[in-house]
Amino acid sequence: EADIYQTPRYLVIGTGKKITLECSQTMGHDKMYWYQQDPGMELHLIHYSYGVNSTEKGDLSSESTVSRIRTEHFPLTLESARPSHTSQYLCASRRDRDGYTFGSGTRLTVV
Amino acid sequence: GENVEQHPSTLSVQEGDSAVIKCTYSDSASNYFPWYKQELGKRPQLIIDIRSNVGEKKDQRIAVTLNKTAKHFSLHITETQPEDSAVYFCAASPLNDYKLSFGAGTTVTVRA
Repeated sequence: EADIYQTPRYLVIGTGKKITLECSQTMGHDKMYWYQQDPGMELHLIHYSYGVNSTEKGDLSSESTVSRIRTEHFPLTLESARPSHTSQYLCASRRDRDGYTFGSGTRLTVV
Repeated sequence: GENVEQHPSTLSVQEGDSAVIKCTYSDSASNYFPWYKQELGKRPQLIIDIRSNVGEKKDQRIAVTLNKTAKHFSLHITETQPEDSAVYFCAASPLNDYKLSFGAGTTVTVRA
């Protein structure tokens, strides 16, 4: 089924660890986005990409990085996790000027 | 860039009553306005959208209206049911940008 998939669903890690949150979509969308959201709260854009080898930072300052080597894959990496990174991370993709399709999210806890 | 304001931030309604959420946007060039529903612990899901060449759109119990002159759009839910309880986000998409600008969200609670 064409959709957008995020793994892991839940992650608990220690401070200072490097982590990568995976996001893949099978819809052939060029445009992909990462949002940070505390449960039920505002959506904060942290990174976006409009195609392969194109990445930009969003409105929310973040210590994460992203890459877009393949159309379908848009991973987000935290080089050194801190408790302030505890949040939910949502990946989304978009076809042209239609609405976003969101992934199910990764709920990250840094202890 | 585009700025979207959403009101109210919380809304409690009696089951069977109507709920209305309003959003205003700043960029007159915005031409696409989606609404998302996010249930507890779930991903945001697109429930209805409207483009700037249309003034109103309906889908069963939900409807969206757009006033381009005043730069505001609204979501209307009629005959509310407990399953309508969720956080609702409005968004706007400027013509020259592929990013959606989201409102801050409205938590809707339907009382049985």
